[in-house]
Amino acid sequence: DVKVTQSSRYLVKRTGEKVFLECVQDMDHENMFWYRQDPGLGLRLIYFSYDVKMKEKGDIPEGYSVSREKKERFSLILESASTNQTSMYLCASSSAGRLRDTQYFGPGTRLTVL
Amino acid sequence: TQLLEQSPQFLSIQEGENLTVYCNSSSVFSSLQWYRQEPGEGPVLLVTVVTGGEVKKLKRLTFQFGDARKDSSLHITAAQPGDTGLYLCAGAWDNQGGKLIFGQGTELSVKP
Repeated sequence: DVKVTQSSRYLVKRTGEKVFLECVQDMDHENMFWYRQDPGLGLRLIYFSYDVKMKEKGDIPEGYSVSREKKERFSLILESASTNQTSMYLCASSSAGRLRDTQYFGPGTRLTVL
Repeated sequence: TQLLEQSPQFLSIQEGENLTVYCNSSSVFSSLQWYRQEPGEGPVLLVTVVTGGEVKKLKRLTFQFGDARKDSSLHITAAQPGDTGLYLCAGAWDNQGGKLIFGQGTELSVKP
């Protein structure tokens, strides 16, 4: 069974703190994605990665960075958290082949920045 | 501006009713997917449609891809409380290497 895990289900941080969100997949997928989900806005792509050490900006990268040192792990970093980054964060992965459009999601991390 | 417009955003119906959710765009997609998300979980893929005019059925759920591959619909027959959740459509382009663009979602509540 395919599995995408995220390090925390719930996280509360203070404004200005550095925040790390970790995502691990066990499907040997090449592609990994970070989204944020807000009511009425659907899922918005923050960053994605096609390979180890490769990253590309999505639609809303400001205030975020990412790291992909190993194929199975994709980290989202909030360098200095702000209240407008309070959101649900979803990680996803997909293969690079014919089924690349099928993304498998983790359970999400609900981040609150106070 | 949302590339994929989903409607309605909220739907509250009684068990046994039928419903249709729409996903519209001015863009042509190589494929379109429907996901369902339950509270506290990530989205799970229901179906992928790739051919204009294609119809796929999944038990009581019927998915259709528009002839021009710009829109899609999800029809649920005789809705059950277990159908409650957030339904998301997502479009893909061939040259985007697996990137998806999501609609805003439709929050469906089916009351017993």
